[in-house]
Amino acid sequence: GQQLNQSPQSMFIQEGEDVSMNCTSSSIFNTWLWYKQEPGEGPVLLIALYKAGELTSNGRLTAQFGITRKDSFLNISASIPSDVGIYFCAALYNNNDMRFGAGTRLTVKP
Amino acid sequence: DAGVIQSPRHEVTEMGQEVTLRCKPISGHDYLFWYRQTMMRGLELLIYFNNNVPIDDSGMPEDRFSAKMPNASFSTLKIQPSEPRDSAVYFCASSLGGLRIHKNIQYFGAGTRLSVL
Repeated sequence: GQQLNQSPQSMFIQEGEDVSMNCTSSSIFNTWLWYKQEPGEGPVLLIALYKAGELTSNGRLTAQFGITRKDSFLNISASIPSDVGIYFCAALYNNNDMRFGAGTRLTVKP
Repeated sequence: DAGVIQSPRHEVTEMGQEVTLRCKPISGHDYLFWYRQTMMRGLELLIYFNNNVPIDDSGMPEDRFSAKMPNASFSTLKIQPSEPRDSAVYFCASSLGGLRIHKNIQYFGAGTRLSVL
């Protein structure tokens, strides 16, 4: 079940703006993941983080694994219309127990 | 690799009918997961298999739901009889599995959108 607190729930931004979203938990996790879900599709993995403090980039996306291992953030720089979708954080508690955030719905206005 | 393949993509049925959702995991993946996604509850894990064996079905909502994995390349999720509250998007995901954490990342199919009228 969902034990990750993801915020914000939704964002309406102008094209070109930067975006920041985060996930927190009361539990420690070994892996943090960020997925993107576009309308009518399944979640697609964007970034995986394996070590506390790790900062990883994927194009305009940057994510960090919090030093306490209880949080993670995702930043999107210079947003474009195709960034629209729902972004989910996920964390692996043990090898087969993945928890999800409720998602951040991103709308980008051209 | 074609990724996780689910069928059908959309299913509309009437209350009381049997519904069968299908999933083909990524070849070589030992773990298969079934999720349900709704606006109210988000993504919920229903059941997962390891090497075709059900490991945890504690998320299956009721006896009306059943899942099978007869071989490494095929799984079904069945709802009988279906009810309007079962309307949701059902996702299948698979992972390699193993001691290294990166092997436990799950990859999702495109989902089946189920509407029970």
